Amino acid sequence: NAGVTQTPKFQVLKTGQSMTLQCAQDMNHEYMSWYRQDPGMGLRLIHYSVGAGITDQGEVPNGYNVSRSTTEDFPLRLLSAAPSQTSVYFCASRSGGYNEQFFGPGTRLTVL
Amino acid sequence: RKEVEQDPGPFNVPEGATVAFNCTYSNSASQSFFWYRQDCRKEPKLLMSVYSSGNEDGRFTAQLNRASQYISLLIRDSKLSDSATYLCVVNLGGGYQKVTFGTGTKLQVIP
Repeated sequence: NAGVTQTPKFQVLKTGQSMTLQCAQDMNHEYMSWYRQDPGMGLRLIHYSVGAGITDQGEVPNGYNVSRSTTEDFPLRLLSAAPSQTSVYFCASRSGGYNEQFFGPGTRLTVL
Repeated sequence: RKEVEQDPGPFNVPEGATVAFNCTYSNSASQSFFWYRQDCRKEPKLLMSVYSSGNEDGRFTAQLNRASQYISLLIRDSKLSDSATYLCVVNLGGGYQKVTFGTGTKLQVIP
């Protein structure tokens, strides 16, 4: 199993550009989520999904969209990039509400 | 009060030392607890789950104190390879969004 994969690993955007961060898992996990990690802030939940076709907002959803058309994939879209979105983005999945999360390797995004 | 609080450290300890971290949580309804390890610029990885009865994995021991609402991680015989940031994770259950991460405690093991 590849586990949780994310692409790209690094990305530089200009303010106002849009892009999609890809996330896929091959463990048949129902739950998937996107986090951003900033120095001194810890991991903050952006959006999450409890199954295909079901998504909801987390703690810091503004400026991001998600969709979950399949169990495997959970892309994160930045609508109009801003410097405040410079961060490391992690995708995670888990099999149930109380279980451990498995993280992807992260995407390091810089918005100029 | 933050939902999950950790001392950010850094904890600088010599090789072979024993070091302990605590993590406090604010919601008494929290259901499950974990310690994750995060190396610099890498993703968090599960170190161990924390059970009410406590659990041990080699040099690592995790304990839960529901009455005082904290979990602890004890590392014995510290190795250089233990240098990392340790994240406390608390899961309220009953709703996916209620997984809360602490900001982490940084450990540096020195020769």
